[in-house]
Amino acid sequence: QSVLPQPPSASGTPGQRVTISCSGSSSNIGSNTVNWYQQLPGTAPKLLFYTNNQRPSGVPDRFSGSKSGTSASLAISGLQSEDEADYYCAAWDDSLNGVVFGGGTKLTVL
Amino acid sequence: EVQLVESGGGLVKPGGSLRLSCAASGFTFTTYSMNWVRQAPGKGLEWVSSISTSSSFIYYADSVKGRFTISRDNAKNSLYLQMNSLRAEDTAVYYCARLYDILPASNFDYWGQGTLVTVSS
Repeated sequence: QSVLPQPPSASGTPGQRVTISCSGSSSNIGSNTVNWYQQLPGTAPKLLFYTNNQRPSGVPDRFSGSKSGTSASLAISGLQSEDEADYYCAAWDDSLNGVVFGGGTKLTVL
Repeated sequence: EVQLVESGGGLVKPGGSLRLSCAASGFTFTTYSMNWVRQAPGKGLEWVSSISTSSSFIYYADSVKGRFTISRDNAKNSLYLQMNSLRAEDTAVYYCARLYDILPASNFDYWGQGTLVTVSS
C-alpha cells in the first residue's frame, strides 16, 4: 500500500475529461507541495506539474493540478490518445524525511 | 540542453555491490540538488536518495538506509550511488534526477534514461 494512494487505473474516450486523485496525510500533502509526473510507456518520467498547480513549459493547458488539505488531483480535459500513460503524484514527507510517490494511475484512452 | 546519463548497472549476485554513476551536462551542476529514483519491473516509482548541492544534506529511503551511499563530485559534474549488500528486491531501473527546488522537495525536473540493476543468483 503506497503512502499516497492513487486509483490504479482510469480511462476515458477522446475529448472527455478525466480526474486522477492522490490521497495523503498531514505529514506529506498536508504540509508540502505536490508534484505530478507522466510516464509514457518505455520512457523516463516527466515532470507534469510542480508546486501543486504550476505547469512546466511545454505541458498543454489541457492538464491542470490542484490541492486541497491532504489530497491532490490531476485533471486532463480534451483527452487525447497521446495522454495514455502512467501518472504519479509525489510529495516530501516530514515524518519519513524523504519523498513519497503515489502508487501510480494507468490512464487508458479508449 | 540538460543531459543526465546513468551508467554502472548490470547483473550482480545477492549480497554483492555495485556503483552507479550519473554524468550531468548542460547546466550548472553545483547549484542543483540531485537524486536517485528507482522503478522495479512493472512497478511504480520509488525514491531512493537525495543529496544537496554541497553534500551537506543527504537523505535515504528506509529501504536502502545503511546499505546505499549517495555522493557527488562537483568538479566532475557527477552523481554516484554506491550500493552494498544488494537484495533481490533492489532489482530495478535506477534513474538519476535533478531537483528543481532546494531540499526538501520532490519536483524532479530532469531525468536520465535509467540504468538497470538486476540482483539474482
